[in-house]
Amino acid sequence: QQQVKQSPQSLIVQKGGISIINCAYENTAFDYFPWYQQFPGKGPALLIAIRPDVSEKKEGRFTISFNKSAKQFSLHIMDSQPGDSATYFCAASGTSGSARQLTFGSGTQLTVLP
Amino acid sequence: DAGVIQSPRHEVTEMGQEVTLRCKPISGHDYLFWYRQTMMRGLELLIYFNNNVPIDDSGMPEDRFSAKMPNASFSTLKIQPSEPRDSAVYFCASSFGTGGTGELFFGEGSRLTVL
Repeated sequence: QQQVKQSPQSLIVQKGGISIINCAYENTAFDYFPWYQQFPGKGPALLIAIRPDVSEKKEGRFTISFNKSAKQFSLHIMDSQPGDSATYFCAASGTSGSARQLTFGSGTQLTVLP
Repeated sequence: DAGVIQSPRHEVTEMGQEVTLRCKPISGHDYLFWYRQTMMRGLELLIYFNNNVPIDDSGMPEDRFSAKMPNASFSTLKIQPSEPRDSAVYFCASSFGTGGTGELFFGEGSRLTVL
């Protein structure tokens, strides 16, 4: 119930390409879905987040797509750049019970080739 | 403003020794979280505090682990005795007002190696 399943584990994209990372969840109590970006030797940092009242949220080159009926959400990075090379974590949380705190996906290591 | 500050950044110790990790959250934040990151298990929530009070420690792996928050600006995570399987990066994070449903600010982590 608490799991957030993330795929792929690793992703290699050419500069200028589109990077797509997918996540799926089971707990219908989740109502907050952030993505965190982590560079080597650093802590994760919030990249973008969505709540289920919208199906898409865009911030610059980063877009979250959300499918409530399928219980899936994804991160799209347009025009991927070498500086985007990092580990990306999806996460989910809700407002009640054990869902109150963030549950993280397993992470996707993105490499953008120059 | 300074972010979440953790110390030490790196710790190498021998099995059986006591390890103490320290965290200074962002001033004004009322939630503090301790996470552990490993390749095998990813990011795991160990314990979190609200207004210095431990709320949920169900993620603490065993009695060898303990955490305290004596005041709003300081928290410790202690492992006694340490074991090789405790080797991981330990992150402290803080947030304001929203617990897990808002932005968490992470420190840079403490990399622990237990030989």
